Amino acid sequence: DGGITQSPKYLFRKEGQNVTLSCEQNLNHDAMYWYRQDPGQGLRLIYYSQIVNDFQKGDIAEGYSVSREKKESFPLTVTSAQKNPTAFYLCASTPRGGSDEQFFGPGTRLTVL
Amino acid sequence: AQSVTQPDIHITVSEGASLELRCNYSYGATPYLFWYVQSPGQGLQLLLKYFSGDTLVQGIKGFEAEFKRSQSSFNLRKPSVHWSDAAEYFCAVGSVEYGNKLVFGAGTILRVKS
Repeated sequence: DGGITQSPKYLFRKEGQNVTLSCEQNLNHDAMYWYRQDPGQGLRLIYYSQIVNDFQKGDIAEGYSVSREKKESFPLTVTSAQKNPTAFYLCASTPRGGSDEQFFGPGTRLTVL
Repeated sequence: AQSVTQPDIHITVSEGASLELRCNYSYGATPYLFWYVQSPGQGLQLLLKYFSGDTLVQGIKGFEAEFKRSQSSFNLRKPSVHWSDAAEYFCAVGSVEYGNKLVFGAGTILRVKS
């Protein structure tokens, strides 16, 4: 079945550590997105990529980094510079990167201890 | 700046009652509009979308939404709510002018009482 997978489902990290969240899609979509979700704030865009080897900052990129070396993969690294990283992280993709429907993965809940 | 407002943080309805969730947007051009639903700890699922044409859009699970340009609104409706509809609902807006990004509202949590 085609879809988006995110791993792990739950992630714990100590303060000061970097951590990488995985996002893989087998939908052959060009564009991929990372969102952060906090209670009562909806989804906020962290980074997005419309094509391999290219990505742009979203509204809250500080303290995060991404790479897009393969079409199907868009990992997100939460660095120690992110002051409040505890949140639910969602990955999404669209076929062509326009204002199309976005398909979402199941999410990763990151907790900083 | 583009923005999306969902005025109701929580809504409680009785099973079998009708439902309307409000969404207002602020955009300078013709928007693309979406409603998504999220169960706790899960990803988002698309309910329906509006790009152009008929302003009354039918979606999955018996939901519909109406685009009203004059009111900058895209309210979600369902004539009879089922207990399984309890979830959080997000309105999202995009436009060509805003590039390849969507802006999401803060969400409305729907509770269904039996």
